[in-house]
Formats: sequence, C-alpha cells, structure tokens
Amino acid sequence: DVKVTQSSRYLVKRTGEKVFLECVQDMDHENMFWYRQDPGLGLRLIYFSYDVKMKEKGDIPEGYSVSREKKERFSLILESASTNQTSMYLCASSLGGSLRETQYFGPGTRLLVL
Amino acid sequence: EDKVVQSPLSLVVHEGDTVTLNCSYEVTNFRSLLWYKQEKKAPTFLFMLTSSGIEKKSGRLSSILDKKELFSILNITATQTGDSAVYLCAVEAYSGAGSYQLTFGKGTKLSVIP
Repeated sequence: DVKVTQSSRYLVKRTGEKVFLECVQDMDHENMFWYRQDPGLGLRLIYFSYDVKMKEKGDIPEGYSVSREKKERFSLILESASTNQTSMYLCASSLGGSLRETQYFGPGTRLLVL
Repeated sequence: EDKVVQSPLSLVVHEGDTVTLNCSYEVTNFRSLLWYKQEKKAPTFLFMLTSSGIEKKSGRLSSILDKKELFSILNITATQTGDSAVYLCAVEAYSGAGSYQLTFGKGTKLSVIP
C-alpha cells in the first residue's frame, strides 16, 4: 500500500520566515508533486519533480522553491512566507512514466502565516 | 482516522456507455466532498457537494451525495475517449480551530475505448 507522509499536519509561521514542508513516499515513485488547495480554487500545482534533482514549475510557482535530493523525499520551501501563502498544502506521488498515472496524496499540511 | 474508498479501482468501457463511479467515506465532522478529474499534471476540479440529495450537473457529468449512507456517485453519460482519466474523490472535514483536513481516495482509472 502506497504511503505518502507529510512532516506536519499544522504549522503556524510569521511573515518573512523561511518555511520547509517535507514529503516522503515509500513506494519508489518517480514523480512527486506539491499542490495548494484553497476554497473555491481547487487544487493548484506549485511544482513537480519527475526524478531526483529534476523539477518543473507548475501553475503557481512564484514564492516557492523545491528540492529533491533523494527519490523518496520532496521538499517545498517558502523562502519568505507571506500571508497569502496561508493554505492547505498537499503532496502527491505517482509511479512514473506517464503523468497520467494515479497520484497518491498525503494528508496535507495546513499552514497559517501570521 | 478519516477514510475515503473509491470503487471500482479501474474500469474499461466503450464510447457511448454510461458509467457510475462510487466514493464512500468515514470522516468525523464532514464538511464537503469533492470530485476531480486527473488526466494531466494536476487534477481538475469537477464538483463540490455539501448537501444530501441535490444533484450537481455539468454537461454529461453529474454527481450526488448521500450523507446518511456516506457515499457519493459520479455519473458520466455517453462517454467519450476524452473522458479517459483518473477520477479522484476527496472529503473535507473540520479539524478544529477553523481549519480542515482533506482526505483523498485512491481514484478510479477510467478508460474509454472507441
């Protein structure tokens, strides 16, 4: 059974702080994704990675960066958190090959930026 | 622990067929149920359901929620090859202090053959 875990369920940070969100998957998946989910806006893709050290911008990459040093771990970094980055952040992974493969989601991290 | 179960996991139909996808859930403090279509990088939002018995419709797609029996169905009539995708069900639940959690099912992979 695929397991995708995220480092925190809830985080409260101050404006200007650097924030790290970590995601780990245990199924040797090639692809990993970071989304944010906001009411009325559905899921929006921030970044995805299709291999170690490889990354591509999604639809809303501004204000975020990512790191994939190991296959199982994909980190989302907010260099200087802002209040408009208050959101639910979801990590997902999929097997690889095609981006149409089923994505498995983590439980989400609810981030509040004050 | 919140749980969302989708069935079937995969389905192959011919163009023109009608399909019904199922999503059942066990969550505490239910807020809403969402359906997404995933065919490219990021899932596309389809429906949000909050009230029992009210059908939501968009073209050939429709969905309904039963909060007593804790399930939802997504119907697609007159299927086309472009409907081939993974359909994801997710449930939002209140988790206290004004925040909520989102739990995804594993998806139903629909393949429509000409």
